[in-house]
Amino acid sequence: NAGVTQTPKFQVLKTGQSMTLQCAQDMNHEYMSWYRQDPGMGLRLIHYSVGAGITDQGEVPNGYNVSRSTTEDFPLRLLSAAPSQTSVYFCASSFTSSDTQYFGPGTRLTVL
Amino acid sequence: DQQVKQNSPSLSVQEGRISILNCDYTNSMFDYFLWYKKYPAEGPTFLISISSIKDKNEDGRFTVFLNKSAKHLSLHIVPSQPGDSAVYFCAAVNDYKLSFGAGTTVTVRA
Repeated sequence: NAGVTQTPKFQVLKTGQSMTLQCAQDMNHEYMSWYRQDPGMGLRLIHYSVGAGITDQGEVPNGYNVSRSTTEDFPLRLLSAAPSQTSVYFCASSFTSSDTQYFGPGTRLTVL
Repeated sequence: DQQVKQNSPSLSVQEGRISILNCDYTNSMFDYFLWYKKYPAEGPTFLISISSIKDKNEDGRFTVFLNKSAKHLSLHIVPSQPGDSAVYFCAAVNDYKLSFGAGTTVTVRA
């Protein structure tokens, strides 16, 4: 099992550009989520999904879109990148929201 | 407005001694609590959890205590080892959502 994989590992964008952060898991987990980690803030939930076709907003959803067309994949789209979106992004998956969440290695995003 | 707070950003402890990490929360609807450990340039990894119906859970060197009336939980690591040097996050679950604290950086001194 590869677990939770995220691509790319690093990305630099210019303000206004769009991009998609990829996340995939091979553990047949129903619950998937995206977090951003900023200094002094811990991890903040952006969006989550309790199963294919179902997504919902977390604590900081503005500027981000998600979709869940398959159980395995949960991409995060930045519509128009802003410097405030400079952060480290983590994807996670688990069987349910209360189960152990397995995190990917993270994507470090810089928006200039 | 953070619902989960870790008020100590750092903790330094001697190898072999006890590490005690604290976490406070404000939302009484949280029904499950977890601790995660994170090394630099890696994703967080699960350490230990506790349901809101319990007050203690133990797993090897790690014990988590929950005081619901005080809305407080703590993680005890005994004995502390050099490999325990990492950032520790407290997290709480309500309505499919996890809320994390800001983290405590633990340094274990030889």
